[in-house]
Amino acid sequence: GAGVSQTPSNKVTEKGKYVELRCDPISGHTALYWYRQSLGQGPEFLIYFQGTGAADDSGLPNDRFFAVRPEGSVSTLKIQRTERGDSAVYLCASSSNPSISGELFFGEGSRLTVL
Amino acid sequence: AQSVTQLDSQVPVFEEAPVELRCNYSSSVSVYLFWYVQYPNQGLQLLLKYLSGSTLVESINGFEAEFNKSQTSFHLRKPSVHISDTAEYFCAVSDSNDYKLSFGAGTTVTVRA
Repeated sequence: GAGVSQTPSNKVTEKGKYVELRCDPISGHTALYWYRQSLGQGPEFLIYFQGTGAADDSGLPNDRFFAVRPEGSVSTLKIQRTERGDSAVYLCASSSNPSISGELFFGEGSRLTVL
Repeated sequence: AQSVTQLDSQVPVFEEAPVELRCNYSSSVSVYLFWYVQYPNQGLQLLLKYLSGSTLVESINGFEAEFNKSQTSFHLRKPSVHISDTAEYFCAVSDSNDYKLSFGAGTTVTVRA
């Protein structure tokens, strides 16, 4: 498709379980971002990839969270030992050249609910 | 990192009335400013942006925003809203040449006939 695709759109899991969220960016976009949006708040930065490498992971809340982008396209956000506080909408965005245009193209998000 | 304040969480407005959504940010260093909109059941999409040049920027659907450096503000306005403008609006800021956006908490605009 033409836009950023995220799967699953909804995920319900139990506390302590492992979760993977997938992002397929716009073709040709080298920059990829993960944001987290909690209820009633704006998106908060988690991690930024330029190509295959994580250029900035300063927003990851703790070591239960990590993300990969092995071939410089699709990215997976992985959450271990989920907690109820991890419940949020996880947004993925991509861009072609973040330092010039500043425009990010967002997916519709993956809503994670931890019971 | 920038801090962004959207002063109104909910703005109800009648169709064809004007609307203003307020946004203030924390730092007066060189910044890029954005308004993103999220329509029901859709992802965030860029509405308009200020990178440099004229402090008044416009979108294709009638919104405008003015960058005020002295007041560190980037308020969004539309002189006459439509039902289809019902959405959540997010102000976002980045330091120039930085890839990280800081978002406000959002303002939900509900347009009623």
